[in-house]
Amino acid sequence: SQKIEQNSEALNIQEGKTATLTCNYTNYSPAYLQWYRQDPGRGPVFLLLIRENEKEKRKERLKVTFDTTLKQSLFHITASQPADSATYLCALAVTSGTYKYIFGTGTRLKVLA
Amino acid sequence: ETGVTQTPRHLVMGMTNKKSLKCEQHLGHNAMYWYKQSAKKPLELMFVYSLEERVENNSVPSRFSPECPNSSHLFLHLHTLQPEDSALYLCASSQGTAQETQYFGPGTRLLVL
Repeated sequence: SQKIEQNSEALNIQEGKTATLTCNYTNYSPAYLQWYRQDPGRGPVFLLLIRENEKEKRKERLKVTFDTTLKQSLFHITASQPADSATYLCALAVTSGTYKYIFGTGTRLKVLA
Repeated sequence: ETGVTQTPRHLVMGMTNKKSLKCEQHLGHNAMYWYKQSAKKPLELMFVYSLEERVENNSVPSRFSPECPNSSHLFLHLHTLQPEDSALYLCASSQGTAQETQYFGPGTRLLVL
């Protein structure tokens, strides 16, 4: 069966450290993968996109890697801050005529001051 | 603000009621989406509209009826819902259905009694 797995447990890290979140998938061949941030009571906000032929993408303190052999993406936040505390969602884009976005359940990150 | 607004933000309804959720995007996008987000479950894509034409219906029960009168507005009409339909309903838009970035509204928190 097709599925996407993210760390189901909340991730607590100390301020200043690097947070690493994982997204594993099976039985999909995504054209690209996205990461979103979702705060309580709000809709997801797009952060980064990485394509199947890219290994790594960076944006300020964020870094995403994509290993299509392992079927895994890692999302890193360096020098984490309490304001980074949120739920982070990964989403695969698969094509079926139009693009279809398949979301993971998300990982809740808490950065401790 | 993402440029996508949703009303109401909260809604409580009985199983025999009829209500509508409204979404408006101010981004000039051509594609709009309805998602359902339940606790501890991934976002579920419900409907996709492109240029006011429904292009995807993900086996959603007929008690949910979408309407897209123009490219800026999207409605979700609700009738005879079940308690398990209680969830956060999110609207999103993108430039087109082949565009990578989706912009989400804040969602409507629905409780069905």
